[in-house]
Amino acid sequence: DAKTTQPPSMDCAEGRAANLPCNHSTISGNEYVYWYRQIHSQGPQYIIHGLKNNETNEMASLIITEDRKSSTLILPHATLRDTAVYYCIVMDSNYQLIWGAGTKLIIKP
Amino acid sequence: NAGVTQTPKFRVLKTGQSMTLLCAQDMNHEYMYWYRQDPGMGLRLIHYSVGEGTTAKGEVPDGYNVSRLKKQNFLLGLESAAPSQTSVYFCASRMTGNGQPQHFGDGTRLSIL
Repeated sequence: DAKTTQPPSMDCAEGRAANLPCNHSTISGNEYVYWYRQIHSQGPQYIIHGLKNNETNEMASLIITEDRKSSTLILPHATLRDTAVYYCIVMDSNYQLIWGAGTKLIIKP
Repeated sequence: NAGVTQTPKFRVLKTGQSMTLLCAQDMNHEYMYWYRQDPGMGLRLIHYSVGEGTTAKGEVPDGYNVSRLKKQNFLLGLESAAPSQTSVYFCASRMTGNGQPQHFGDGTRLSIL
């Protein structure tokens, strides 16, 4: 079973920041949180990952709570091309990604 | 950079036919994975490999076989295709080391009639 919980869908206005939440209350101390997105039926695209500290790259920022039980992916200036399904994933002890159903993010003009 | 390349991109098979899906990566990654994705669902792991010559079962391995004869290639075989194997198949690879992300190909869309 997926180790994460995400809302099934979210809307965001174009140009605004999109904040996607994820709960992972059973995460272990050495497990990373990964974010991917999938546009239409293309291959999943890696966005960002983190362990304890907040992370930022050219695509997004990842905010992880101090207890590590939840995280938020932030797309700072959403565009129409950011419309996709976003997956929050915790890697299991066998280094396997266990995928849930993700959040369908719709960016509206 | 080519990254992860999957062939073919589309295929239609009849029940009982066999075929092999090819995944090739040019990033010198040790780990490789095969997933399937059914409509409206997340990915499910079929088989994976932690290095040349080694393979292991994932969450849904039944009906599939794999081989990793060369480090850069990971083959997924269907010996006797069934309609339940109609799906989109994704291959991924990653470097060794804690926290390294997986990188995916564009998928193979397979229909079994």
